[in-house]
Amino acid sequence: KAGVTQTPRYLIKTRGQQVTLSCSPISGHRSVSWYQQTPGQGLQFLFEYFSETQRNKGNFPGRFSGRQFSNSRSEMNVSTLELGDSALYLCASSLKGGSGVNYGYTFGSGTRLTVV
Amino acid sequence: AQSVTQLDSHVSVSEGTPVLLRCNYSSSYSPSLFWYVQHPNKGLQLLLKYTSAATLVKGINGFEAEFKKSETSFHLTKPSAHMSDAAEYFCVVSGGGADGLTFGKGTHLIIQP
Repeated sequence: KAGVTQTPRYLIKTRGQQVTLSCSPISGHRSVSWYQQTPGQGLQFLFEYFSETQRNKGNFPGRFSGRQFSNSRSEMNVSTLELGDSALYLCASSLKGGSGVNYGYTFGSGTRLTVV
Repeated sequence: AQSVTQLDSHVSVSEGTPVLLRCNYSSSYSPSLFWYVQHPNKGLQLLLKYTSAATLVKGINGFEAEFKKSETSFHLTKPSAHMSDAAEYFCVVSGGGADGLTFGKGTHLIIQP
């Protein structure tokens, strides 16, 4: 079966612009979460959606937002881009999300965002 | 709150020798624990997971990990390293609360020929 698909794979944006990243989860998975990976900070949790509702949110400014559609596809948006937003953004889907036991997340290959 | 500490940022072993990657965790809940591997320019691949069943967990590619609650540890081992094991390894905890997945800083595994 198809894995987690993230588009686009690479993006170059200018400071002050906004960007939208897309994530299509594995069919049947209703939980989608987003992570930012940088050399300095490592992998950090951004937010998690389950059945179109944001369940959890990490410690990121309000410029970072997301949403989930009825087909479980998710988008994340970053407004007013800063140089420090340059990172690999990873999306993960899970069959079971929210509170309780997590049975493992399947990650996409990520979107590499470069802000210049 | 939850946290993960990977005790070694780099580990170097010779091909054919055992691998030990160390991980300690803390969690306010009964945690689920995972090990993920990331090869260069690739996404994260799940190696194994602990979700309150057997404390010795077997994963893919010959890796296994033992959950020790008294030591709050979840170390990853492999009896014999292969060149293809060279990668970045992440220990991950999920406490089931509002913190999502919490990743360790990663351990870079180097395999010497």
